[in-house]
Amino acid sequence: KAGVTQTPRYLIKTRGQQVTLSCSPISGHRSVSWYQQTPGQGLQFLFEYFSETQRNKGNFPGRFSGRQFSNSRSEMNVSTLELGDSALYLCASSSGHRDNYGYTFGSGTRLTVV
Amino acid sequence: AQSVTQLGSHVSVSEGALVLLRCNYSSSVPPYLFWYVQYPNQGLQLLLKYTSAATLVKGINGFEAEFKKSETSFHLTKPSAHMSDAAEYFCAVQDNNAGNMLTFGGGTRLMVKP
Repeated sequence: KAGVTQTPRYLIKTRGQQVTLSCSPISGHRSVSWYQQTPGQGLQFLFEYFSETQRNKGNFPGRFSGRQFSNSRSEMNVSTLELGDSALYLCASSSGHRDNYGYTFGSGTRLTVV
Repeated sequence: AQSVTQLGSHVSVSEGALVLLRCNYSSSVPPYLFWYVQYPNQGLQLLLKYTSAATLVKGINGFEAEFKKSETSFHLTKPSAHMSDAAEYFCAVQDNNAGNMLTFGGGTRLMVKP
């Protein structure tokens, strides 16, 4: 069974640019969540998508957005990049049921903003 | 809001010694609790999970954790540390009232001395 696939693994962008990250969940999983990991703030929840609908959103500015496609693949977009957006972005998939017990995480996309 | 506190951002043990990583949580409802491990440049791997069944939970790689409601704790232990256990460990609580969002502790970096 294939795991959670995130692309690309590494990205370098310039301040002010925008970036799109991709996540393919485990086959059959309908929920995709995104987390940001930084040394200063740790792991923080960005948003969760389930069946193409955003089900939950963390406390991030509107520059951070996402979407989910009918095949459950998800993308997140960050516009007008700031230096502080440099982080490891982790995607996690689950079945999406409310009694689901935990996620499977991808290896992440390391974003560096210069 | 739920929260997780991991006591000790760095823990150092000798190979073969007991590993004890501490986690305390706050939750207004019976929680689901998790321990994840992260190796350098990798995503998060699930070690074990508590889902209101047995209070002593056994996970992968010889780790286990005990849920103690009276102490609001979910400490992770391993009887004998191995060099390959060196990694960062995260305790997390799942808020079932807000989708499947995970709230993470700050992490504990485990170092294993030969």
